[in-house]
Amino acid sequence: DADVTQTPRNRITKTGKRIMLECSQTKGHDRMYWYRQDPGLGLRLIYYSFDVKDINKGEISDGYSVSRQAQAKFSLSLESAIPNQTALYFCATSDGSPQETQYFGPGTRLLVL
Amino acid sequence: QKEVEQNSGPLSVPEGAIASLNCTYSDRVSQSFFWYRQYSGKSPELIMSIYSNGDKEDGRFTAQLNKASQYVSLLIRDSQPSDSATYLCAPRGGSYIPTFGRGTSLIVHP
Repeated sequence: DADVTQTPRNRITKTGKRIMLECSQTKGHDRMYWYRQDPGLGLRLIYYSFDVKDINKGEISDGYSVSRQAQAKFSLSLESAIPNQTALYFCATSDGSPQETQYFGPGTRLLVL
Repeated sequence: QKEVEQNSGPLSVPEGAIASLNCTYSDRVSQSFFWYRQYSGKSPELIMSIYSNGDKEDGRFTAQLNKASQYVSLLIRDSQPSDSATYLCAPRGGSYIPTFGRGTSLIVHP
């Protein structure tokens, strides 16, 4: 089974709708991240969490919110989706060690019409 | 100026050649440097990490770091078509969170 899973894998929604993207991990890592990827723009950090009680905004948090329900679960919400939120969204985890590697989920492809 | 600069490419090399991917960064406190590979439509995966000045070799991959010049590179020897992907440079600075460059697209043609 995959260590980092994301649901759904693909989603089409309409402008103004609220949607939630979910991420679960079995790696036992405290740190979790949400990124979006757009063609030509690379990976941009939306939110990150270093433990269950710690939530921090990344460089592009406007229009997004998150919830860290447990060590293993980190959800991303779009309260009122807009077309420029159409992107590929990745969840990632890391263990916080000096040599830490980020482990990415398979991604969620979101289309906002 | 973006924190992490990479040439977007595409960099096209023939099979068997050496591919050289470059990255510059602006955060002088960066201590850890990572290279991720991302195939089209897939998630990034770590292929190399380097923490000290100089070279680090792992199979066909060599990472090179020069902190004084704020420069890190990735060399791929004996390039194969399966190496065709986007390579993301990710220094980790004072925030302890990697900052990703936009990536360099590599195409290895037979």
